Amino acid sequence: NAGVTQTPKFQVLKTGQSMTLQCAQDMNHNSMYWYRQDPGMGLRLIYYSASEGTTDKGEVPNGYNVSRLNKREFSLRLESAAPSQTSVYFCASSERSAGLIYGYTFGSGTRLTVV
Amino acid sequence: DQQVKQNSPSLSVQEGRISILNCDYTNSMFDYFLWYKKYPAEGPTFLISISSIKDKNEDGRFTVFLNKSAKHLSLHIVPSQPGDSAVYFCAASGTASGTYKYIFGTGTRLKVLA
Repeated sequence: NAGVTQTPKFQVLKTGQSMTLQCAQDMNHNSMYWYRQDPGMGLRLIYYSASEGTTDKGEVPNGYNVSRLNKREFSLRLESAAPSQTSVYFCASSERSAGLIYGYTFGSGTRLTVV
Repeated sequence: DQQVKQNSPSLSVQEGRISILNCDYTNSMFDYFLWYKKYPAEGPTFLISISSIKDKNEDGRFTVFLNKSAKHLSLHIVPSQPGDSAVYFCAASGTASGTYKYIFGTGTRLKVLA
């Protein structure tokens, strides 16, 4: 089982460029999440999708958009990248209420640098 | 406003001794709590959970304690091993919202010295 797969693993962008971070899970989970990790800030929720067809804002949604393409895939888009978006991005998935007990399954992350 | 706080950025412990990692939260609506472990260049991995109807949960060398009145939880690792060296995140969720999303703390870096 691949679990949660994120692409790309590394990316350097220039300020103002756009890009999409891809995430796919093969565990038939209903819920998917995008977090960013910054030094001293922990993991902060950007957007989440409780089930296919729904998306909601998290703690830090500004500057991002998401698409729940189907049950497997949840993408994160930066329309106009800014240096403040330099971070490590993690995608995660869970089986709704089971995630409360068993937690999320995380991908290995995308390290994004905006210059 | 940080709803989940880990006030110790780092902790060093001798191999074989007990490691105690602490976490405080402010929202009394939180009723599920998790601990994750994270190695460099990897995603966080689930370690152990506890619900608010319990005050303790054990899994092998790992025990989580919950003190609801103090809004405090702790993770005990006994005995600590060098392979436990990682960053540990606590996370909290409130089921009343129906969204099952977790709020994470800032993490504590544990170093177990051989």
